[in-house]
Amino acid sequence: GDSVTQMEGPVTLSEEAFLTINCTYTATGYPSLFWYVQYPGEGLQLLLKATKADDKGSNKGFEATYRKETTSFHLEKGSVQVSDSAVYFCALVSTQGGSEKLVFGKGTKLTVNP
Amino acid sequence: ETGVTQTPRHLVMGMTNKKSLKCEQHLGHNAMYWYKQSAKKPLELMFVYSLEERVENNSVPSRFSPECPNSSHLFLHLHTLQPEDSALYLCASSQEPGGSGEKLFFGSGTQLSVL
Repeated sequence: GDSVTQMEGPVTLSEEAFLTINCTYTATGYPSLFWYVQYPGEGLQLLLKATKADDKGSNKGFEATYRKETTSFHLEKGSVQVSDSAVYFCALVSTQGGSEKLVFGKGTKLTVNP
Repeated sequence: ETGVTQTPRHLVMGMTNKKSLKCEQHLGHNAMYWYKQSAKKPLELMFVYSLEERVENNSVPSRFSPECPNSSHLFLHLHTLQPEDSALYLCASSQEPGGSGEKLFFGSGTQLSVL
């Protein structure tokens, strides 16, 4: 079935460091791809999305490009801040079984130290 | 109050207890969901309700019993749980079932510990 694989965490960085969180997927066709963020004590929030190959999603300085050739959607940010400390989830929309549903990765915890 | 609200935020219960989790959405949505978030595992979709009717039940043990009395409220009744049921339980809503990507709104979750 459709699935998402994220890099294992936790990831610990210093403020202003460059961030990459890897995400690859297995799916039938070309699903829409998403990154969600979960700040401490809160629910998941949509961070960015891409709906077709070569699309780049961006928000709050984060970017991810839909790479069909490598079935990847890696999350990047050039300079992280302490406030970016959170758990990040990669997800895709699966249409297996005749209905749409979100399939999530396991999440990657990011801690940014001042 | 707006968005999706879950209560309680934290719950500790013994294996013989009966408790309920509550979710309320103020977005006028027609579909509501329960997800389970366990450490080092992907989010698991447990139940989906559309207009108060259960439309999906992903092989969840019967010790979890959902209830949707109206389109704004969703409950998860818990009884005789096991320690491995300890997790963060997230409620979500969307305008229509299917809840793809940007259309899902999540609550902050109930952190459940089963002793």
